[in-house]
Amino acid sequence: GIQVEQSPPDLILQEGANSTLRCNFSDSVNNLQWFHQNPWGQLINLFYIPSGTKQNGRLSATTVATERYSLLYISSSQTTDSGVYFCAVPNAGGTSYGKLTFGQGTILTVHP
Amino acid sequence: GAGVSQSPRYKVAKRGQDVALRCDPISGHVSLFWYQQALGQGPEFLTYFQNEAQLDKSGLPSDRFFAERPEGSVSTLKIQRTQQEDSAVYLCASSENRGQGQPQHFGDGTRLSIL
Repeated sequence: GIQVEQSPPDLILQEGANSTLRCNFSDSVNNLQWFHQNPWGQLINLFYIPSGTKQNGRLSATTVATERYSLLYISSSQTTDSGVYFCAVPNAGGTSYGKLTFGQGTILTVHP
Repeated sequence: GAGVSQSPRYKVAKRGQDVALRCDPISGHVSLFWYQQALGQGPEFLTYFQNEAQLDKSGLPSDRFFAERPEGSVSTLKIQRTQQEDSAVYLCASSENRGQGQPQHFGDGTRLSIL
């Protein structure tokens, strides 16, 4: 099946700093999602981004499908950004319904 | 409308007991997925429903795991004779249509602890 690798595994920031999280995947995909899992375990949709660039407030994401990677940018980080960030892509394996394969996540800690 | 709803939020059971976890997807969503998330890991696929049909159960770890969605809306994941290794967060997700080109929306999960 498809492999998904995220980097860095851990990231510690001071409030107000910017950061870039990376997601590499081993096969071509036709969609990709970024999620934030907060300290309470809730998995929040950030972006559905098969290709191109999207922005939502302080967050933006870019997927370059032909080069099999996606980037998540966090600007002016806040303590509420802490948590685990996952990217996920559909593992086709001959199916059409898009069961997701997740990366191992990036653990982000933002200090005040 | 409302998001994906899961219950209970937390479940503690003794080893050997049976448990049932409920998922109420977003109204009208055709596709429903169950994932298992072990501590410190990303979620892993368990099973998929398209309406009431279970089209993929390749991720279910053993025959003690059983899922159903009899009327194409609410789904139940049942684990029989629970073992300690079943301790995990169980996440349910739904998407509008059956294709890959739809985002999946996740519930808050059920945290299962087996003593």
